[in-house]
Amino acid sequence: AQTVTQSQPEMSVQEAETVTLSCTYDTSESDYYLFWYKQPPSRQMILVIRQEAYKQQNATENRFSVNFQKAAKSFSLKISDSQLGDAAMYFCAETSYNTDKLIFGTGTRLQVFP
Amino acid sequence: GAVVSQHPSWVICKSGTSVKIECRSLDFQATTMFWYRQFPKQSLMLMATSNEGSKATYEQGVEKDKFLINHASLTLSTLTVTSAHPEDSSFYICSARLSGNRYGYTFGSGTRLTVV
Repeated sequence: AQTVTQSQPEMSVQEAETVTLSCTYDTSESDYYLFWYKQPPSRQMILVIRQEAYKQQNATENRFSVNFQKAAKSFSLKISDSQLGDAAMYFCAETSYNTDKLIFGTGTRLQVFP
Repeated sequence: GAVVSQHPSWVICKSGTSVKIECRSLDFQATTMFWYRQFPKQSLMLMATSNEGSKATYEQGVEKDKFLINHASLTLSTLTVTSAHPEDSSFYICSARLSGNRYGYTFGSGTRLTVV
């Protein structure tokens, strides 16, 4: 069964600082993808970053990067130079070729202070 | 870019009535669409997966007779909440996966359902 766990219900960071959100997952699949989504107060889901499991190199998108530890089944998100607009709920998610289901973690609420 | 339109954005209905929510891919074909339910300050719970032209696959614990899903075309999936009750009040979100793109998911803006 697919499970995604986010152990940090809430996190806070000072503007311009760096914050890391944690995520662990469990899957028996070998071909899978991991995602981080942002859900602002509008509740529109926005893709932040995506990682293919077969790629060893960690994905990076501007200020957002991941630390993908495949053996540990860990997939953390690092936000550098945090901005006020980064404040939102962040969800880690996983899908695989065989299951074709996008399963979400419980979410982490990120607050950014000026 | 890929856009998914979800309508209505909010709806209030009386207990015992049915409500239909539409999820439409505007500029791409979506072989597969997904329906999620999100309670306040909680995660998105997958309710069902719908494939165009076939019956939806429901997750364990989801009543298929209460939450009717139809995916009659490559651009439209509908979720009908039948005989709605206050406990069905929630935020419902659809997602469409681009045909041929195994991992490209696009989300609708969600529907807030309130049953009174």
